Amino acid sequence: NAGVTQTPKFQVLKTGQSMTLQCAQDMNHEYMSWYRQDPGMGLRLIHYSVGAGITDQGEVPNGYNVSRSTTEDFPLRLLSAAPSQTSVYFCASRPRTSGGNNEQFFGPGTRLTVL
Amino acid sequence: AQSVTQLDSQVPVFEEAPVELRCNYSSSVSVYLFWYVQYPNQGLQLLLKYLSGSTLVKGINGFEAEFNKSQTSFHLRKPSVHISDTAEYFCAVRVYGGATNKLIFGTGTLLAVQP
Repeated sequence: NAGVTQTPKFQVLKTGQSMTLQCAQDMNHEYMSWYRQDPGMGLRLIHYSVGAGITDQGEVPNGYNVSRSTTEDFPLRLLSAAPSQTSVYFCASRPRTSGGNNEQFFGPGTRLTVL
Repeated sequence: AQSVTQLDSQVPVFEEAPVELRCNYSSSVSVYLFWYVQYPNQGLQLLLKYLSGSTLVKGINGFEAEFNKSQTSFHLRKPSVHISDTAEYFCAVRVYGGATNKLIFGTGTLLAVQP
C-alpha cells in the first residue's frame, strides 16, 4: 500500500490564482481530512469527509472547497489564493469505527506559498 | 471547550539524557490520547496512543507516556534520547460523545537533541 499520497509537494501561487491540492489513499478508509500546519499553531482542521459524497467544515474552512466523489480521493481547492493561505497542508485518513479510537494516517504534506 | 496544551515550544537536550515533553488537555467528554512525531520535511506518524487500560503506554523508538486523569495530562518520556529523535512532537486528543468526534492537536514541541 502507498498509504496517503499528496501532490504536489511544493507550490508557489500568486494572489488570486486557483489550484487544487490532490490527496489519495489506497487503504479504503472512510474518513479523510485536510489540515493546515502553521508555526506555533499546530494542525488545524480545514474540511473533512466521512465517506464518498459527504463533506463537512472543520475549524478553518474559509477560502477552501472540497469534494469526495470516490472513497480514494479528497481534493482541496483554493478558488482565489491569499497570502494568509501560505502554509503546509496535510491530508489524513482513517477507517471508520465507533468511538474514534483508531490511528489517523497522514500524507507527506504540500508546502504552499502564496505571494 | 476542548483544548490541548503543550507548554514547551522547544526542548533542547543533550544526547543520552532523559526527556519529558508535557501535554495537558481539557475535555468534559471521553477522550483518546495520542502522540505524533514529525521528522523534518515529513508528515506525522503515530508514536503511541492511550485508549483504555494501563495508564502507562509504550510506543515506538523507546518512548512512553503516562495518562493521568486527575491532572488531565499525558506527558511523553524517553530515558535516553538520540540525535535521531530530533523532531517535532504533537500531542492530540480525540474527543467523542454524542455528536462530537474530533481530533484536536496541540501546538507542538520541538525536541532538539544536541551531541
